[in-house]
Amino acid sequence: DAKTTQPPSMDCAEGRAANLPCNHSTISGNEYVYWYRQIHSQGPQYIIHGLKNNETNEMASLIITEDRKSSTLILPHATLRDTAVYYCIVCSVGSSNTGKLIFGQGTTLQVKP
Amino acid sequence: EAGVTQFPSHSVIEKGQTVTLRCDPISGHDNLYWYRRVMGKEIKFLLHFVKESKQDESGMPNNRFLAERTGGTYSTLKVQPAELEDSGVYFCASSQVRVSEAFFGQGTRLTVV
Repeated sequence: DAKTTQPPSMDCAEGRAANLPCNHSTISGNEYVYWYRQIHSQGPQYIIHGLKNNETNEMASLIITEDRKSSTLILPHATLRDTAVYYCIVCSVGSSNTGKLIFGQGTTLQVKP
Repeated sequence: EAGVTQFPSHSVIEKGQTVTLRCDPISGHDNLYWYRRVMGKEIKFLLHFVKESKQDESGMPNNRFLAERTGGTYSTLKVQPAELEDSGVYFCASSQVRVSEAFFGQGTRLTVV
């Protein structure tokens, strides 16, 4: 699975959009981009995933560049409860892949009042 | 619908003792994963079940760790004998489709003293 690079930390003002970048320059054609987050002392929580088109759900939007080498997770109106570590994970959907997730260090997002 | 449940939430044992962690996945989820985070490190994959069969146990650290999934329902992870470096948080996750949204439990915090 391709490696991802994320900034170690970011701040965001409450009520503003939080834009979390991720680089995955070695991504291959059958690899999806997944985003998870871990709020302190809880288990990781799925947010969103995509292959090449932009995706939106009730939690966030995922913007993937045309060359698929980077993506941005957008939390449109960040709240204090969005303070967490956010993980960008690239995962293959090939038949040999078991669906295991390779977690990196992630980005610690601090939402401030 | 009940989420992924893990027992116990905390466990403190002495070095050399045995501990068994349990995970109850979401009903109907054939895929079950174990992960762990040791202090200061990233969340690491341990193994993957599809129903009762082990599909990938490449992340199991050594033969002191034994995972089972009886009848393809709940799973146990036994550590025998426990060592100090086994301390950490053990997460279980389940998913319906192999590469899809994975639901994580709250984790079991294991402390070996």
